[in-house]
Amino acid sequence: AQSVTQPDIHITVSEGASLELRCNYSYGATPYLFWYVQSPGQGLQLLLKYFSGDTLVQGIKGFEAEFKRSQSSFNLRKPSVHWSDAAEYFCAVGARDTGRRALTFGSGTRLQVQP
Amino acid sequence: EPEVTQTPSHQVTQMGQEVILRCVPISNHLYFYWYRQILGQKVEFLVSFYNNEISEKSEIFDDQFSVERPDGSNFTLKIRSTKLEDSAMYFCATRGDSYEQYFGPGTRLTVT
Repeated sequence: AQSVTQPDIHITVSEGASLELRCNYSYGATPYLFWYVQSPGQGLQLLLKYFSGDTLVQGIKGFEAEFKRSQSSFNLRKPSVHWSDAAEYFCAVGARDTGRRALTFGSGTRLQVQP
Repeated sequence: EPEVTQTPSHQVTQMGQEVILRCVPISNHLYFYWYRQILGQKVEFLVSFYNNEISEKSEIFDDQFSVERPDGSNFTLKIRSTKLEDSAMYFCATRGDSYEQYFGPGTRLTVT
């Protein structure tokens, strides 16, 4: 069964600083990979996705993520964080080869941005 | 930009009552999902639905739960007899031919 680990429950960064949120997955092959963001009381917004090809993918709001097969990781990065980025971030995986399309989510990382 | 919508945004119900949560998918999407998120916990898959039948369900989705697409536009989740532990945020998600799922804003269900 696939699983997702987000080792950091809570991260605090200063506005303007760079950010990296970690995501590791367990799956027999290369899954589909996603990052979603959830602002307080809101739904889940898709930030970016990886299906195949270039392992560095660009998303909305200046975010990017890099797929590293050797490390089973899909870390999310942003070079300069804005106060509006404060939210919870979820990494998710979907099976590629079984037809199962339900997403498995990590536990999330709550990002706090200091002025 | 097309969106998934959900109603109601918040539902309060007494234990043992039936609730129906509604979702309007993006118009050309054919795959529908329900997920839930208990407060402070991760998002969990409940059920997926395609071509008017359940294609997959999790162990959470027991006989108390059912889904249907009653009129070709709405996609509903029914909980027959709610329990306290059903209190959660319920998200509908839909997808088209691509693999990304688009989530609605959620319905917060509070069972008292």
